[in-house]
Amino acid sequence: GAGVSQSPSNKVTEKGKDVELRCDPISGHTALYWYRQSLGQGLEFLIYFQGNSAPDKSGLPSDRFSAERTGGSVSTLTIQRTQQEDSAVYLCASSLNSGDNEQFFGPGTRLTVL
Amino acid sequence: AQKITQTQPGMFVQEKEAVTLDCTYDTSDQSYGLFWYKQPSSGEMIFLIYQGSYDEQNATEGRYSLNFQKARKSANLVISASQLGDSAMYFCAMREYETGGYNKLIFGAGTRLAVHP
Repeated sequence: GAGVSQSPSNKVTEKGKDVELRCDPISGHTALYWYRQSLGQGLEFLIYFQGNSAPDKSGLPSDRFSAERTGGSVSTLTIQRTQQEDSAVYLCASSLNSGDNEQFFGPGTRLTVL
Repeated sequence: AQKITQTQPGMFVQEKEAVTLDCTYDTSDQSYGLFWYKQPSSGEMIFLIYQGSYDEQNATEGRYSLNFQKARKSANLVISASQLGDSAMYFCAMREYETGGYNKLIFGAGTRLAVHP
């Protein structure tokens, strides 16, 4: 079946603009995670969704970052007034249930803020 | 706070040889899980292997095995019979089990493996 998909695959934007990143999890997966991977670094957790609710937003770096999930499926990560330090690869993962060990990752969106 | 340390930024191995990628972790939890992911140049994260803290035997998945030494808090990945396609970044991660009943992964900085013919 289809895996986790993300769009766009690449996004170049100017400092100060808003961007929206989209994640389509595997069908039927209730848990959805966003991670950020800065150049040469490991991944850092941003936010977790169970269904449409986000019980853990602790990883969001600032109030310029927000995310929502509708219909228990697609999620959108929004970054307002982008800064150069926001440049990174944003990865989405999903798992069938919240307690599952394996998280399936999407290909990521590479964001470049000029 | 939980922490994952990968001390090898880069590793080289000859094709068909075995290689060990190091990972140490720090946690005060009694129940935890350890993962290895592979990230090829395409960028996707590929799940390789999982070890639970209560598993008595080392996890194995084909050519991958996890050398779990609980007392030393290490979870090294061993790749046997390296192949050219194994060249990639490898990340060690720990499951941080949250009260709400979900898992948050904490990642190390990664090790870049290059397999030479």
